[in-house]
Amino acid sequence: EPEVTQTPSHQVTQMGQEVILRCVPISNHLYFYWYRQILGQKVEFLVSFYNNEISEKSEIFDDQFSVERPDGSNFTLKIRSTKLEDSAMYFCASSRMGSTNYGYTFGSGTRLTVV
Amino acid sequence: AQSVSQHNHHVILSEAASLELGCNYSYGGTVNLFWYVQYPGQHLQLLLKYFSGDPLVKGIKGFEAEFIKSKFSFNLRKPSVQWSDTAEYFCAVTPTSGTYKYIFGTGTRLKVLA
Repeated sequence: EPEVTQTPSHQVTQMGQEVILRCVPISNHLYFYWYRQILGQKVEFLVSFYNNEISEKSEIFDDQFSVERPDGSNFTLKIRSTKLEDSAMYFCASSRMGSTNYGYTFGSGTRLTVV
Repeated sequence: AQSVSQHNHHVILSEAASLELGCNYSYGGTVNLFWYVQYPGQHLQLLLKYFSGDPLVKGIKGFEAEFIKSKFSFNLRKPSVQWSDTAEYFCAVTPTSGTYKYIFGTGTRLKVLA
């Protein structure tokens, strides 16, 4: 069964540093997403991406965040100048169609710890 | 504002016990509804989904859920749990149009004792 792959599985970074979280979506999927889950809280939508541009983003997704599909296979989330409150599990997902009727395929997540 | 509530944060059951996890949502329009499961160290996996039609939907691994529109609820059930059902369960909704994003509940951590 095709999988969405996320690397690394766990990253520790110092406050103020930049991090890049990487995702390899399923190859024939066209829509890509990032979600995050702060420990003990709900999974929150960050951003959706289609046709090389952001199609929707939440109020969490401010100028500190950016997404990119640099090479046609990877889908990255960059967090500039990390803060303690950015510590969370970050999930990447992809879907073949844009409608949520089809559901997403999620990756296993990257646990980001900012110290 | 759209929201999803899962009232049980932690549930502990013995094997063979019946399970019901509550999920209520707040949204004025038509929604699609989902239950996802996350086994320890693994990704979120789709258990079942409801779009329209029969409000009782069956998913994988013996799970089912019932959509009660008047109560804005989509509770997950399983008649007899197994130790391997130990996981975190997330309810999610999305409007049928206008957005691709899911709105998740806070999750219910289920522990099944052998």
